[in-house]
Amino acid sequence: KQEVTQIPAALSVPEGENLVLNCSFTDSAIYNLQWFRQDPGKGLTSLLLIQSSQREQTSGRLNASLDKSSGRSTLYIAASQPGDSATYLCAVKDGATNKLIFGTGTLLAVQP
Amino acid sequence: EAGVAQSPRYKIIEKRQSVAFWCNPISGHATLYWYQQILGQGPKLLIQFQNNGVVDDSQLPKDRFSAERLKGVDSTLKIQPAKLEDSAVYLCASSLSSSGDDGYTFGSGTRLTVV
Repeated sequence: KQEVTQIPAALSVPEGENLVLNCSFTDSAIYNLQWFRQDPGKGLTSLLLIQSSQREQTSGRLNASLDKSSGRSTLYIAASQPGDSATYLCAVKDGATNKLIFGTGTLLAVQP
Repeated sequence: EAGVAQSPRYKIIEKRQSVAFWCNPISGHATLYWYQQILGQGPKLLIQFQNNGVVDDSQLPKDRFSAERLKGVDSTLKIQPAKLEDSAVYLCASSLSSSGDDGYTFGSGTRLTVV
């Protein structure tokens, strides 16, 4: 059964720092991996989608990498800003069940 | 393009009452999903529609939850009767392809509090 884990559960950094959020999954048979942002009480905003054949995707200050064989993905945020404060969720499209399986998220706080 | 629309944004009901949520997916998206997100957890799939047919409802508590997608566009999710443990954010998502390989687009969610 596919399981997705995100470490750390919470992270607090000063403004301007570069930071890395981690996501690991137990079964490497995935179709894709997607990173989402969730503001308190709100829905999910898609940040980056990485297909299983890709190694990384970039959007602005965000860069996501995927190492399918080791079951890991990282989300790199450059020059963090207070507006980046939110919960970041990763989710894998599981190859066996065709379902989108989520981690429990990393709560990020960027201090001004 | 317009995003996934959901209503209401918030709902507070007493246990044993009924409640319904509405979702309008992105135009042209054939696949629609309902997720339940309990506080502090990741979203969990409740039901998946392909057009107006159910693809997967294995995690839907069918004794109290029901969902429909008439005409393959809008969808409603109903809970009757509600329990305290149903307090959660209910998220609707849609994808263009039936596989979802193009990624999922989520709505803003409905926050349900059962008291």
